[in-house]
Amino acid sequence: AQSVTQPDIHITVSEGASLELRCNYSYGATPYLFWYVQSPGQGLQLLLKYFSGDTLVQGIKGFEAEFKRSQSSFNLRKPSVHWSDAAEYFCAVGVGAGNMLTFGGGTRLMVKP
Amino acid sequence: ETGVTQTPRHLVMGMTNKKSLKCEQHLGHNAMYWYKQSAKKPLELMFVYSLEERVENNSVPSRFSPECPNSSHLFLHLHTLQPEDSALYLCASSPLGGLYNEQFFGPGTRLTVL
Repeated sequence: AQSVTQPDIHITVSEGASLELRCNYSYGATPYLFWYVQSPGQGLQLLLKYFSGDTLVQGIKGFEAEFKRSQSSFNLRKPSVHWSDAAEYFCAVGVGAGNMLTFGGGTRLMVKP
Repeated sequence: ETGVTQTPRHLVMGMTNKKSLKCEQHLGHNAMYWYKQSAKKPLELMFVYSLEERVENNSVPSRFSPECPNSSHLFLHLHTLQPEDSALYLCASSPLGGLYNEQFFGPGTRLTVL
């Protein structure tokens, strides 16, 4: 069965610092990969997705992610974090038919002024 | 209203109560989903409806009963819940066709079972 692991439950970075959130997946075929963000009291918003092609994908709010098949990873990055980026971030993999998603446990990002 | 809306936003109920959660999407999508988000657990897919027909039920207890009367509305009927059912219940919708279309999420209903 497929699974998604986000090893870091909490991460704290200073405003203006760079950010990398880790995501590892376990799936037999080429996965469809997503990163979502959830602000307090809100639903999930899609940041970016990878289906095929260029392994470096750009998303909204200045985020990017790189698919590395050899490492089964899809890490999310941002060169300079803003205080408004404080939220919970979820990695997800699409498997099977019908748009099913399996989510990781999430990483809560805190931003220090 | 735009996007995906959910009502109520907060709900407190006893174990013997019957209540319903409502989800409405204004995006013209044909697929709708219920997810459960518990503290310290990954987001769990509960139900999927495609063109108003249930296509996925991830072994959810029968005390949760979904209903999709049309492509814009989705309900989750609750009865004789347990305290461990306390969670954030998220609704999502997506278009059909193509490969893994983006799911649009509502803000969720925070459910507390006493």
